[in-house]
Amino acid sequence: DAKTTQPNSMESNEEEPVHLPCNHSTISGTDYIHWYRQLPSQGPEYVIHGLTSNVNNRMASLAIAEDRKSSTLILHRATLRDAAVYYCILLRGAQKLVFGQGTRLTINP
Amino acid sequence: EAQVTQNPRYLITVTGKKLTVTCSQNMNHEYMSWYRQDPGLGLRQIYYSMNVEVTDKGDVPEGYKVSRKEKRNFPLILESPSPNQTSLYFCASRRSVFPYEQYFGPGTRLTVT
Repeated sequence: DAKTTQPNSMESNEEEPVHLPCNHSTISGTDYIHWYRQLPSQGPEYVIHGLTSNVNNRMASLAIAEDRKSSTLILHRATLRDAAVYYCILLRGAQKLVFGQGTRLTINP
Repeated sequence: EAQVTQNPRYLITVTGKKLTVTCSQNMNHEYMSWYRQDPGLGLRQIYYSMNVEVTDKGDVPEGYKVSRKEKRNFPLILESPSPNQTSLYFCASRRSVFPYEQYFGPGTRLTVT
């Protein structure tokens, strides 16, 4: 499985944008970049995915580097409810999800 | 509401007493799986099922059994639980077509004494 590297933890302030980085230098051409997050005491939930182009949805934006070796999940205006562990996962076809350690995001009021 | 449900949410049991954790989804998903989550080890897949009557081992299947007799249900069975199976368990489901977005249940916290 292609590996991803994320910072262990990040901290931000409420109502400010948050940029969560992910490095995936061994990504292959058919790997999709998926992001999940796990809120405290809950199961993981899907956030967003992309292949080459930047993507937006109601939860977040995903910015993908031109060489696809890194990506950034962007929360445009963080709230306290965005405090969670964020996982960046490479997915090839219908493979299983392989979760790393993720980034623990703390939001300060 | 589309959801994955698990029961029970919390369970304390003793070594060797057989137990079943139920999982049900209402999205008509073909694919279902079980994960366990342990501090420092993250989420690891136990078993998965591509469809009814089709199951296969994940990364940590020892000590667990599953069955998939109906599309919506995927119970996890611990025939003889041991303390090292104390963990947080998640069931998940998804469609078998792109984009393979996975839906997770709320979790079952199991303690084996």
